[in-house]
Amino acid sequence: NAGVTQTPKFQVLKTGQSMTLQCAQDMNHNSMYWYRQDPGMGLRLIYYSASEGTTDKGEVPNGYNVSRLNKREFSLRLESAAPSQTSVYFCASRLGGKTNEQFFGPGTRLTVL
Amino acid sequence: AQTVTQSQPEMSVQEAETVTLSCTYDTSESDYYLFWYKQPPSRQMILVIRQEAYKQQNATENRFSVNFQKAAKSFSLKISDSQLGDAAMYFCAYSIRAGGTSYGKLTFGQGTILTVHP
Repeated sequence: NAGVTQTPKFQVLKTGQSMTLQCAQDMNHNSMYWYRQDPGMGLRLIYYSASEGTTDKGEVPNGYNVSRLNKREFSLRLESAAPSQTSVYFCASRLGGKTNEQFFGPGTRLTVL
Repeated sequence: AQTVTQSQPEMSVQEAETVTLSCTYDTSESDYYLFWYKQPPSRQMILVIRQEAYKQQNATENRFSVNFQKAAKSFSLKISDSQLGDAAMYFCAYSIRAGGTSYGKLTFGQGTILTVHP
């Protein structure tokens, strides 16, 4: 039982390049989330998926797109990376219903030059 | 919109002593959860303790306990008998009780870096 996994762990991009961050969970959770962590700002919600087949914007969605590929997988895509997107990205999942606890992946450190 | 504020960017404590990390939040909701997460240098987010707003009793988990003051919208974390392994960034987080359109989204504070001195 791996929990929440993310790939890659580290990535360096040049401005304008695109990439997809992958996230998968094996806990049969319904809801999945993408957060970014920046110094002095805590974690901020980018996008979330309440259940398979649905996605919605969070607090800081600009410059990102997401895909809920199936119940297990939730990917985050940067179409044209910008230096402002340099951050640590976390994926999380939640069982659903009245359960509030979220389980986090190990994070991806992304640097955009 | 809900906000969470951690006013202590850094705290330090001697090993075996007690330290308290502060958190305040702003919400108009009455039914919600509050969390403390620990983030060690490995970057992994680890849930330390959880408090349900409708429960008056303060949550405890071994050496970790909270002081939940609902009227004051305050949620502090007390770490007793501090250990070197407690050194980490600590985040306070808020979530409306899941259901409806909230979908359990978390709002985080800015974090407090805790240093433990041997």
